[in-house]
Amino acid sequence: GALVYQYPRRTICKSGTSMRMECQAVGFQATSVAWYRQSPQKTFELIALSTVNSAIKYEQNFTQEKFPISHPNLSFSSMTVLNAYLEDRGLYLCGARESQNTLYFGAGTRLSVL
Amino acid sequence: TQTVSQSDAHVTVFEGDSVELRCNYSYGGSIYLSWYIQHHGRGLQFLLKYYSGNPVVQGVNGFKAEFSKSDSSFHLRKASVHWSDSAVYFCAVRLSNYNVLYFGSGTKLTVEP
Repeated sequence: GALVYQYPRRTICKSGTSMRMECQAVGFQATSVAWYRQSPQKTFELIALSTVNSAIKYEQNFTQEKFPISHPNLSFSSMTVLNAYLEDRGLYLCGARESQNTLYFGAGTRLSVL
Repeated sequence: TQTVSQSDAHVTVFEGDSVELRCNYSYGGSIYLSWYIQHHGRGLQFLLKYYSGNPVVQGVNGFKAEFSKSDSSFHLRKASVHWSDSAVYFCAVRLSNYNVLYFGSGTKLTVEP
């Protein structure tokens, strides 16, 4: 079946430092990967969509300078939170799909910022 | 602009009761609608989706949802809930020409014994 793994599951970083999280698709080709953030007590905000052979599209309020994303092949993507501050804490989800199929999510990376 | 709204932030029922979690959307074009579940402290698990055809969609664990174009709704229902159904449920919409999901604010379902 289709699975999406994210790591680390939990991480803590000091305010002002950066943190990289990874997303691995297993059992299908992740032609597109979407990164979301769920801030405490909130819903899931779309950060950006990465589609193979297309430019990464960032949503309003999110930038490449703050959340650089790499999507080098059809099974892997990574995102870095640069210069993390308290407002960046939350659960970061990676959602991956093959073509127009169902979007499958990983369990998320929970980021805490001290 | 498309939106998806979940009018109930919290729903509490007893085990064995039926439940309906409401989802309304506003968009005039072709869309995919889906429901996801988030158990406490976990990621998102896919429940079901609708794009076309039979407006009643069956999902996992006895859940089903019914699409209504006239009401712009995609409510989730279960005939008899179990305590393990306690979680936050998210309705999501995806435009047919844009490959991302936009989520509603979520409904926290609490099933009491």
